[in-house]
Parts: sequence; C-alpha cells; structure tokens
Amino acid sequence: NAGVTQTPKFRVLKTGQSMTLLCAQDMNHEYMYWYRQDPGMGLRLIHYSVGEGTTAKGEVPDGYNVSRLKKQNFLLGLESAAPSQTSVYFCASSRTGEYYGYTFGSGTRLTVV
Amino acid sequence: RKEVEQDPGPFNVPEGATVAFNCTYSNSASQSFFWYRQDCRKEPKLLMSVYSSGNEDGRFTAQLNRASQYISLLIRDSKLSDSATYLCVVSESMIKAAGNKLTFGGGTRVLVKP
Repeated sequence: NAGVTQTPKFRVLKTGQSMTLLCAQDMNHEYMYWYRQDPGMGLRLIHYSVGEGTTAKGEVPDGYNVSRLKKQNFLLGLESAAPSQTSVYFCASSRTGEYYGYTFGSGTRLTVV
Repeated sequence: RKEVEQDPGPFNVPEGATVAFNCTYSNSASQSFFWYRQDCRKEPKLLMSVYSSGNEDGRFTAQLNRASQYISLLIRDSKLSDSATYLCVVSESMIKAAGNKLTFGGGTRVLVKP
C-alpha cells in the first residue's frame, strides 16, 4: 500500500525552465492538494481538486498550473520557473468529509537557480 | 492575523518530562481539528484528531476549547523520539465543492534531550 507517491524527490531547474511534478495516490481519495512549504511561512495551498477533471486555486496559485485527468493522479506544472519557486512541494489526498485528515506524499525539493 | 497561530518554540524538554503547548485559530466556524507531526525534512503525518470532549492517545492528550478558540497538545513521559515539529491544523470549509481544505499553523518545535 503505497499511499501518496511524489516524483521526482529532488530537482534543480534553471530560471525559465519548465517541469511537472507528479502525485499519485492509491487510496481512491476524491480530494487532492498541492502545498508548498517554506521556512517561516508554513504550508501554503497552491491548488486543489475535489474530483477527476476538476481543479481550483488555493492561496498561492500564481506561476503554477494543475491537471487531474485521472482520479489517482494530480499534476503540478511550472511553466517558467523562478527562484521564488524554490521550495519543498507536498502533495496530499483525503477522503470526502471534513473529519478526515490528509495523507501526504514525501515531498519534492525544488531549487531554481 | 494568521488563521492558525502557534508558538514556534523550540520547547526544550528533558526526557521523561511533560510538555504542553497551544495553538489559536481565528475561524469560529471550523469543525475539524488535528495535530500533525513533522520530522526534519519529512512530510507531515497525522498524529491525532481533536474532538470536542478532548481525547487521549497513549502519552498524547489533545484538548479543544471552542469558546476561546484554542487547541492544546500535551505529551507525557517525553521520549527522545518525540523531537519534532507539531503542526496545529484546522478545517477551513465544510462545503464539498471547496474540498476538505485545512489550514496549517506554522508549527511548534519540540526538542527532547537526555
């Protein structure tokens, strides 16, 4: 039982390059989320999805795009990376209903130089 | 004002001692509350949900005070392995279309020392 799997685990990008972070969950969860975590800022929601084919903006969506073509996968794209996007990115999923917590992936450490 | 506020610490705790810390939240409509644990350079992991009546899980006790809008976590008989950052988490919305969005506090760092 893998839970939530993120790939890649580490990446270094040059300013202006693009990349896609993949999140996959095998728990049949409806909801999926992308967060970034920066020192002193805590976890901030980038985008989220309440089901296959749906996405919505979170607290800090600028510079990111997402897609959820399949229920088990949630992709986060950076079209033109900037140094301000250097961060640790966490994907999470949850069941429907407000009494369920999240299951997080192990994170992707991204550095933009 | 942050939606969920925590003392960042660190709380330096002798092994075997008891430590307690709180967090405050601003959204009075919040219905779900959690404590997560995050080890250095790892993902957050659910430690326990917090129920209105208070609940206990082994050495960990969580309390909720809706009137004053704070949540507490108490760790008894601290172990070296309890050293971590503890994140206070509060639900933001009960609307299905908005997802089960949670708001995370900045975390309280606990260091248990021999």
